Amino acid sequence: AQRVTQPEKLLSVFKGAPVELKCNYSYSGSPELFWYVQYSRQRLQLLLRHISRESIKGFTADLNKGETSFHLKKPFAQEEDSAMYYCALESDRGSTLGRLYFGRGTQLTVWP
Amino acid sequence: DAGVIQSPRHEVTEMGQEVTLRCKPISGHDYLFWYRQTMMRGLELLIYFNNNVPIDDSGMPEDRFSAKMPNASFSTLKIQPSEPRDSAVYFCASSPPRGETQYFGPGTRLLVL
Repeated sequence: AQRVTQPEKLLSVFKGAPVELKCNYSYSGSPELFWYVQYSRQRLQLLLRHISRESIKGFTADLNKGETSFHLKKPFAQEEDSAMYYCALESDRGSTLGRLYFGRGTQLTVWP
Repeated sequence: DAGVIQSPRHEVTEMGQEVTLRCKPISGHDYLFWYRQTMMRGLELLIYFNNNVPIDDSGMPEDRFSAKMPNASFSTLKIQPSEPRDSAVYFCASSPPRGETQYFGPGTRLLVL
């Protein structure tokens, strides 16, 4: 069965420090993985997806199939990065859109 | 574009009452998703539609929950009768055909007393 695990509910770092939000998944097929972010009082929105292999707001995430991980990293955290981050896996994308399975989320706080 | 619109934004009701949540997807999007977010279970998919047809309703918790999409611009999620354990934030999201992402609404915060 599909499962997304985010082991940390809360994560705090100081401004300028590196940050890594962990995400592990279990899925028998070829996964499509995403990171979504929800800033305070804003809607849940896509941050990045692994297939794009791009950096958004300084964040990157590499899919490691051997370790079944998709950790989100940023070398220098900023206060505005404080938000709730969700890792998500899309299953069964074929001719139609697959469904998303979300992790429980990690609340990141970046202290000044 | 106002994005996905949900109403009401907040709902407080008493146990046993019927609750109806509404969603207007982004125009042109043919996928619509209903999610529930709780502290205990995180963000869970309840049901999703493609071209107004329910594709997967395996996440609907029980018969008290029902969802409809009578046309491409409107969907409802109904809980009848409501129970305190239904208290949660309910999100609607929509996606274009083979879209890169789902676009989420602001959510409806439901409290059942």
